[in-house]
Amino acid sequence: DAKTTQPPSMDCAEGRAANLPCNHSTISGNEYVYWYRQIHSQGPQYIIHGLKNNETNEMASLIITEDRKSSTLILPHATLRDTAVYYCIVKIGSYIPTFGRGTSLIVHP
Amino acid sequence: EPEVTQTPSHQVTQMGQEVILRCVPISNHLYFYWYRQILGQKVEFLVSFYNNEISEKSEIFDDQFSVERPDGSNFTLKIRSTKLEDSAMYFCASSEVGLYSNQPQHFGDGTRLSIL
Repeated sequence: DAKTTQPPSMDCAEGRAANLPCNHSTISGNEYVYWYRQIHSQGPQYIIHGLKNNETNEMASLIITEDRKSSTLILPHATLRDTAVYYCIVKIGSYIPTFGRGTSLIVHP
Repeated sequence: EPEVTQTPSHQVTQMGQEVILRCVPISNHLYFYWYRQILGQKVEFLVSFYNNEISEKSEIFDDQFSVERPDGSNFTLKIRSTKLEDSAMYFCASSEVGLYSNQPQHFGDGTRLSIL
């Protein structure tokens, strides 16, 4: 899997957009970008994934740069319940996801 | 929304005893996984399972560990003779298609295993 780099922590005000960056400069052409999050004491929760086009679902949007070397997960209106560790994972389908340290997002009132 | 369920939520076991952790994957999923997370550390892959066989395993998954799908719904992880260092959260996951696809895995909320 390509290595990813994420800031260790971020904070965001409730109701504002949370923009979580991820660098994956060594990504290869057939590797997907996945985002998971882990709320305290719970299992990792799948959020979204994409290859090169921007993606949106009911939870978040994923913006992938044209060169695919970085991406941003956007939570458009963060709530207190979005406080969690967010993991950016790059992998080919045939590989098991490798979880790093992720970004600890704290949403404050 | 269908989800992966794990039981028990917390298991306390004496060192050297056998323990079985149980999981019910999402019903139309065919690929199953176990991960563990030692307190304060990363989520680590243990094993993947498809068609009643292990398809991939990590170095952590040694001879003390085994997995089984005893019936059409349960997926179990057995630790034969537990050690103190087996204390961790154990997460089960499942996916609709497996390693050779881009479909994500869906995780349960884990079993906290405490070895005394």
